Amino acid sequence: EVQLVESGGGLVQPGGSLRLSCSASGFTFSTSAFHWVRQAPGKGLEYVSSINDYGSRTHFADSVRGRFTIARDNSKNTVYLQMNSLRDADTAVYSCVKDRTGAWAFDVWGQGTMVSVSS
Amino acid sequence: QSALTQPRSVSGSPGQSVTISCTGTSSDIGGDNHVSWYQQHPGKVPQIMIYDVSKRPSGVPDRFSGYKSGNTASLTISGLQAEDEADYYCCSYVGISANWLFGGGTRLTVL
Repeated sequence: EVQLVESGGGLVQPGGSLRLSCSASGFTFSTSAFHWVRQAPGKGLEYVSSINDYGSRTHFADSVRGRFTIARDNSKNTVYLQMNSLRDADTAVYSCVKDRTGAWAFDVWGQGTMVSVSS
Repeated sequence: QSALTQPRSVSGSPGQSVTISCTGTSSDIGGDNHVSWYQQHPGKVPQIMIYDVSKRPSGVPDRFSGYKSGNTASLTISGLQAEDEADYYCCSYVGISANWLFGGGTRLTVL
């Protein structure tokens, strides 16, 4: 069974940092691309970031570019999202999503981890 | 780039059909066939329903179908069932910028 389990969320003050982790199992991790998608409370889905299978290509939404970085460790089947200079508007559930092989779509979603930015 | 435009809500009675539209531009929806649709029940994670405009993943009922014309994509649900009541999101991958755009979401109510 394909599983994605996020961790690392929590309460942080504006300007602070958090590192989210996404542990994957049930499929060949090293050949999959991954994304982070967030959902603010009561709001819609918002794309955050992507990383390809080798970790050589990354992409970020305009709203987080320059503040967030994404990385992966294929030896640990884990994807990371480093979030710096956090703002109130970054408050959301952050979900790790496996890319659908051979298509441009989000395939399997993790349960997500809550990030709250507040003073 | 702006988010894609979806109606905030649609409704239908059991057995009826409903269509949810998703409007973008020639740079996103109109530019290629990288449109996907996601269903999200309250408190649950999104589930992929349609990808590449009209393809259904295994396990998705054939009551769900996707279509695109110009800059507008559509999701049609036929033979509505109570379990279809959920939020639906469209999404487009924009290859030229390697960006992903979501619609604002549509709440489907089964009357």
